[in-house]
Amino acid sequence: AQSVTQLDSHVSVSEGTPVLLRCNYSSSYSPSLFWYVQHPNKGLQLLLKYTSAATLVKGINGFEAEFKKSETSFHLTKPSAHMSDAAEYFCVVSDRNPGTASKLTFGTGTRLQVTL
Amino acid sequence: GAVVSQHPSRVICKSGTSVKIECRSLDFQATTMFWYRQFPKQSLMLMATSNEGSKATYEQGVEKDKFLINHASLTLSTLTVTSAHPEDSSFYICSARAAGGNTEAFFGQGTRLTVV
Repeated sequence: AQSVTQLDSHVSVSEGTPVLLRCNYSSSYSPSLFWYVQHPNKGLQLLLKYTSAATLVKGINGFEAEFKKSETSFHLTKPSAHMSDAAEYFCVVSDRNPGTASKLTFGTGTRLQVTL
Repeated sequence: GAVVSQHPSRVICKSGTSVKIECRSLDFQATTMFWYRQFPKQSLMLMATSNEGSKATYEQGVEKDKFLINHASLTLSTLTVTSAHPEDSSFYICSARAAGGNTEAFFGQGTRLTVV
């Protein structure tokens, strides 16, 4: 079984300040973890992924995330927020269990608001 | 990155009619495709998983006779909402993954269905 918990439904930051979006996961197998971003009425775009290689993963648009097995966390960070970062962010886990046909499990999402 | 094209992006139909939504992987072979439904300000809810050439696997509570899924080729899956009702109005998103448990899913742009 696998699950994802996004601890904050809404995060508000000022432009130019750091962003932290929190995600905790559980998985019966070695997980693959992803962060996706969704702008209003749009599909999802992959920001970054962890697949058992380097624990610090760098993604697009200056985002990065660190896989911490001891804490079962995969928090998303960015040093300096930009207005265009305002969107919905989803943390996603796939436990690579062959029996689940690579099913993805989504967190409930975190809405990031960026203010001037 | 890989591209998944979903069509139409927006559709309005009369109650009782059927609507077909297409999902195409443009530059890779999608062994598995997923169909999601997303309610306003909520996360994605997996409706069904389809593998090319076989019947789709529906999640609990999803009516397979109402939401017909066909995955006839490695690049095309369709979702048909039959006898649509206003409560079927929603945002539908498809995603596609290539073979392997640690590959990311690529998402279509989504389809906004409004049943009047």
